[in-house]
Amino acid sequence: DSGVTQTPKHLITATGQRVTLRCSPRSGDLSVYWYQQSLDQGLQFLIQYYNGEERAKGNILERFSAQQFPDLHSELNLSSLELGDSALYFCASSAQSGGAGDTQYFGPGTRLTVL
Amino acid sequence: GQNIDQPTEMTATEGAIVQINCTYQTSGFNGLFWYQQHAGEAPTFLSYYVLDGLEEKGRFSSFLSRSKGYSYLLLKELQMKDSASYLCAVYNTDKLIFGTGTRLQVFP
Repeated sequence: DSGVTQTPKHLITATGQRVTLRCSPRSGDLSVYWYQQSLDQGLQFLIQYYNGEERAKGNILERFSAQQFPDLHSELNLSSLELGDSALYFCASSAQSGGAGDTQYFGPGTRLTVL
Repeated sequence: GQNIDQPTEMTATEGAIVQINCTYQTSGFNGLFWYQQHAGEAPTFLSYYVLDGLEEKGRFSSFLSRSKGYSYLLLKELQMKDSASYLCAVYNTDKLIFGTGTRLQVFP
């Protein structure tokens, strides 16, 4: 158990809908990262927040947005969902703002199925 | 561009040794990570490198050569529970870039 929690574990929804995924980092960690993992594909970095501020951005679609709250938990919002958005969404946290030696620890993931 | 290459699949026998290679070409380098991921589960941290060399942690060893853009993960005395995907990831300037992973199957 990494100490990172994610809810819900599974989510099934329809195309065009909007969902919110939630992540709580390990105690004391200031950074939260979001990744998408589609079938047979590697982990794709979406976005990082550090202490409430956006720190780094990957290939995140405009239909997706995220935020980190004062208590450091984070939410990933996915809207206008398409079939291709079906994937495992992982949250990770690290102690600092990223970079050398700042190991990321992953949560159990949310499996999103878009029908 | 950013490129991290690993073999897609490998098989080995229980008790054997297997070496999983990773080559990378990235615009920046702030360290290389290895993660283990069982199917449908979270990646779990195995090792981190920022300097060249070999490091041993029990049955797992890992090596890095920055000049060659090359790392390997060596797994000894393979056990059935080692069947998983092994992800190589490079921290490039401001983000962690993952390879597609090597799926290792261990047979009895």
